[in-house]
Amino acid sequence: AQKITQTQPGMFVQEKEAVTLDCTYDTSDQSYGLFWYKQPSSGEMIFLIYQGSYDEQNATEGRYSLNFQKARKSANLVISASQLGDSAMYFCAMREPEDRDDKIIFGKGTRLHILP
Amino acid sequence: DVKVTQSSRYLVKRTGEKVFLECVQDMDHENMFWYRQDPGLGLRLIYFSYDVKMKEKGDIPEGYSVSREKKERFSLILESASTNQTSMYLCASKLTGVFTDTQYFGPGTRLTVL
Repeated sequence: AQKITQTQPGMFVQEKEAVTLDCTYDTSDQSYGLFWYKQPSSGEMIFLIYQGSYDEQNATEGRYSLNFQKARKSANLVISASQLGDSAMYFCAMREPEDRDDKIIFGKGTRLHILP
Repeated sequence: DVKVTQSSRYLVKRTGEKVFLECVQDMDHENMFWYRQDPGLGLRLIYFSYDVKMKEKGDIPEGYSVSREKKERFSLILESASTNQTSMYLCASKLTGVFTDTQYFGPGTRLTVL
């Protein structure tokens, strides 16, 4: 079973609109961390935002916020006022408190296209 | 700033060749990772290393090996490249023990095996 599910392979959004990228996760641990990354066409993975399972507030970083719904195991990324430069692949990822390996499990990604 | 570099952005090799992909990080991170990325499959972990000379298999280690002789360098080796190893390869590093910290990624190597 997939641990991270991103149900939207691709999305088209008009510039300046808000965007929500879906992510659901599966874990039996109480303590875990959730990450979102952006990958432009150039290929590098850019860390956007982190949410800890015990964090009471939704994480925010500039135009990025994470809509964390723990009971639903949902960690959607919200981009406010989208820009053309937001066009990229977006990956949701999770870290579980296994051992010291610090591994991250990635979803399959959502390709976001911002239309002018 | 953490910097992770990879030896090549683009690489073209022939079937059966031995291929080395090099990754270097400058932040004294203990953990290093190699992923491959394919359309529709996301990032899949090939191998990782949590210390010099230590390595662990990830989810798809078949056809690959790794080497970590120095802390800053983690090499991915394709002993005999095959066309199904055509992919984007991403290296990452991370300081051990900080649960909330991200992995830091290199720019990626797009490998084509003909």
